[in-house]
Amino acid sequence: DGGITQSPKYLFRKEGQNVTLSCEQNLNHDAMYWYRQDPGQGLRLIYYSQIVNDFQKGDIAEGYSVSREKKESFPLTVTSAQKNPTAFYLCASSDGSYNEQFFGPGTRLTVL
Amino acid sequence: AQKVTQAQTEISVVEKEDVTLDCVYETRDTTYYLFWYKQPPSGELVFLIRRNSFDEQNEISGRYSWNFQKSTSSFNFTITASQVVDSAVYFCALSYGGSQGNLIFGKGTKLSVKP
Repeated sequence: DGGITQSPKYLFRKEGQNVTLSCEQNLNHDAMYWYRQDPGQGLRLIYYSQIVNDFQKGDIAEGYSVSREKKESFPLTVTSAQKNPTAFYLCASSDGSYNEQFFGPGTRLTVL
Repeated sequence: AQKVTQAQTEISVVEKEDVTLDCVYETRDTTYYLFWYKQPPSGELVFLIRRNSFDEQNEISGRYSWNFQKSTSSFNFTITASQVVDSAVYFCALSYGGSQGNLIFGKGTKLSVKP
């Protein structure tokens, strides 16, 4: 089955620790995206990548980092510099400009 | 600047009622796309529809219909004869950044359909 997988589904982190969220897609999509969703809020773009080995900051990139070494993978690291990291994180992919984005099931990160 | 406004934060209806979710957008682009997504309690966003700025025809898909009006910058979504399974948060989104395919989302409307 084609789709996007994110792991883990739930993640707990102590303050001051970095943590990496996984996102894998087997849809052969060129573009991948990371969003953050807070309660009662829409999705806000953290980072996006249109092609392997290239990525751009979104609206709220501070405290986050990404890599795009393979077409199918786009991991997101939440660093200790992110002041309020507790949120729901969604990964998406798309096969071209203006096309719909397909979303993974999300990872809920809680900082203890 | 691009902006999407979903003024209805929460809507509650009884099963079989019709319900319309409003979406108003702002953009300076002449070519753009509008989207609706559904987010059930499980959390994953499900794509419902994409509409480009040159096509103002209304669309119907089963119990779902969409009304796109450029004159009022609106892209409203109607569910006819609502069902409990329609309970979810619905997001309207607008493309920006030209061909980069980035989306800006509204804050969503939480729809509760009671039996």
